[in-house]
Amino acid sequence: AQSVTQLDSQVPVFEEAPVELRCNYSSSVSVYLFWYVQYPNQGLQLLLKYLSGSTLVKGINGFEAEFNKSQTSFHLRKPSVHISDTAEYFCAVDPMNTGFQKLVFGTGTRLLVSP
Amino acid sequence: EADIYQTPRYLVIGTGKKITLECSQTMGHDKMYWYQQDPGMELHLIHYSYGVNSTEKGDLSSESTVSRIRTEHFPLTLESARPSHTSQYLCASRQAGTGNTGELFFGEGSRLTVL
Repeated sequence: AQSVTQLDSQVPVFEEAPVELRCNYSSSVSVYLFWYVQYPNQGLQLLLKYLSGSTLVKGINGFEAEFNKSQTSFHLRKPSVHISDTAEYFCAVDPMNTGFQKLVFGTGTRLLVSP
Repeated sequence: EADIYQTPRYLVIGTGKKITLECSQTMGHDKMYWYQQDPGMELHLIHYSYGVNSTEKGDLSSESTVSRIRTEHFPLTLESARPSHTSQYLCASRQAGTGNTGELFFGEGSRLTVL
């Protein structure tokens, strides 16, 4: 079985500062990795995903994430955040070769951007 | 922009009432899902469907039921609501087959409060 750990339940940051949201996972097989964002009173939206190839993945809104297989991590980063980035961010994993049938989400990290 | 819609967005009802949460998508996706979301918790899969007349229970036990009579429609029903059913319910869909890149498209959610 797979599991996802997002250790930081909340990350406060000032506008224009860099941010990193941490995600670690546990799996006995290779996995696909995803980051989703949930803005207030909305559903989740895909930010970026790692399926194969380059371990540095770029997503929407200036976010990027790096897959580190040895550390089983997929941390999300942005060099300069905006107020509009205030949202809940969910990391998720899905074991390969299951046709994306076993997606498992973390508990989420709330990013709070203040002026 | 995702074309998946949930109604109602917010619902407050008394114990013992029957409720149906509606979910419709216009993307022609075969695969549809219902997740339950509580604050500080991971999203839990409660039901899924891989096509018309196909429904399965997810990882989290739920007293709700679902139906899939049409591709675009995946309603969730609670025959007798209880306070323990208070939660946010998220509907999602994705493509099947070669078009499946793992991305889930989410509705905006239905927040249910049972008094």
